[in-house]
Amino acid sequence: DGGITQSPKYLFRKEGQNVTLSCEQNLNHDAMYWYRQDPGQGLRLIYYSQIVNDFQKGDIAEGYSVSREKKESFPLTVTSAQKNPTAFYLCASSIDVPGQGGSTEAFFGQGTRLTVV
Amino acid sequence: DQQVKQNSPSLSVQEGRISILNCDYTNSMFDYFLWYKKYPAEGPTFLISISSIKDKNEDGRFTVFLNKSAKHLSLHIVPSQPGDSAVYFCAASAISGYALNFGKGTSLLVTP
Repeated sequence: DGGITQSPKYLFRKEGQNVTLSCEQNLNHDAMYWYRQDPGQGLRLIYYSQIVNDFQKGDIAEGYSVSREKKESFPLTVTSAQKNPTAFYLCASSIDVPGQGGSTEAFFGQGTRLTVV
Repeated sequence: DQQVKQNSPSLSVQEGRISILNCDYTNSMFDYFLWYKKYPAEGPTFLISISSIKDKNEDGRFTVFLNKSAKHLSLHIVPSQPGDSAVYFCAASAISGYALNFGKGTSLLVTP
């Protein structure tokens, strides 16, 4: 089955800890994204990557870091510098970046709910 | 600064009737628009899209209308079914952009 897999589904973090959220896709998509959803809010872009070994900050990148060492994988690390990390995190991928000559939809994973305890 | 706005946080419709979800945008560079459906604790799933060169796109019970001059689009669901109850997100992308811009969502409840 082709798709995007996020793990874990639920994650608890203590104050001051870094945690890493996993995102894997087998759709052979070049572009991958991390969004954050808070109650009553839309999806806000944290980071995106157009190709392997390249990534760019989105609208709310502070306190987060990513890597893109493989096409299939785009892990997100929530660092202790992120002041309000409790949220629902969504990873997505698309064939190419919207607007870059292709108007393609993004496919989303099932999300990871991160809670700071 | 919210470039995609869904001003109705919620909507309740009777089964069999039409559901109309609205979306406004401010960025005139947006040229591709999408609707996503989302259930609680799940990722959004793509529903339907429309390019700025069109004013209407239809897929089964779902139709999206685009009014470029008003910077407004709407999603029509007819007939509405209880399984349509979910949060619907409007999203847009610009030819010079890099990712989708999402609205805050409208929670649709279809009652039997």
